[in-house]
Amino acid sequence: GEDVEQSLFLSVREGDSSVINCTYTDSSSTYLYWYKQEPGAGLQLLTYIFSNMDMKQDQRLTVLLNKKDKHLSLRIADTQTGDSAIYFCAEAPYSSASKIIFGSGTRLSIRP
Amino acid sequence: SQTIHQWPATLVQPVGSPLSLECTVEGTSNPNLYWYRQAAGRGLQLLFYSVGIGQISSEVPQNLSASRPQDRQFILSSKKLLLSDSGFYLCAWNRGENTIYFGEGSWLTVV
Repeated sequence: GEDVEQSLFLSVREGDSSVINCTYTDSSSTYLYWYKQEPGAGLQLLTYIFSNMDMKQDQRLTVLLNKKDKHLSLRIADTQTGDSAIYFCAEAPYSSASKIIFGSGTRLSIRP
Repeated sequence: SQTIHQWPATLVQPVGSPLSLECTVEGTSNPNLYWYRQAAGRGLQLLFYSVGIGQISSEVPQNLSASRPQDRQFILSSKKLLLSDSGFYLCAWNRGENTIYFGEGSWLTVV
């Protein structure tokens, strides 16, 4: 079945890079996403990557996709206090493209 | 542009009472619609999704139900709430494989 896994917590120092990792099970996934959730709010799309891409960069964000290992990562360069949030990885399995599956979320905290 | 609204934003309900959360999408037609729940300190759980009017797929058996009476309206209901139904409920939409967009969420506390 479809499953997406992430570590629950990550703590980084302000100004350092943050790397949030995710693994998924459906090798036929078409789209893979990263969402950000700030306290008490809904989810906002940060970025997404097609399954035929290896990397996507958008300002401070870099997404890496390793299809062989079914591993997705989000790197945030120069992490700021405003980056504190929960980050969700999600996949759109080809077998059911209407059904988006989310990971449990990684809570990113920033140390001064 | 497309927008999604859900209400109420917060709700405190006694155990055994009914529930109705409503979600509407504007600016698009025939969207896929979703209800997710986020329990305290936990990730997102897909509850229901719908690819068209009257078409509801349930992902998790429970005492909740969903209905889609109109193309852009999605309702989450319960006849009798349980304490374990407390959580943050998120409505979302997308078109086919495209990006999924979320509403602002509804906080439900069952007491």
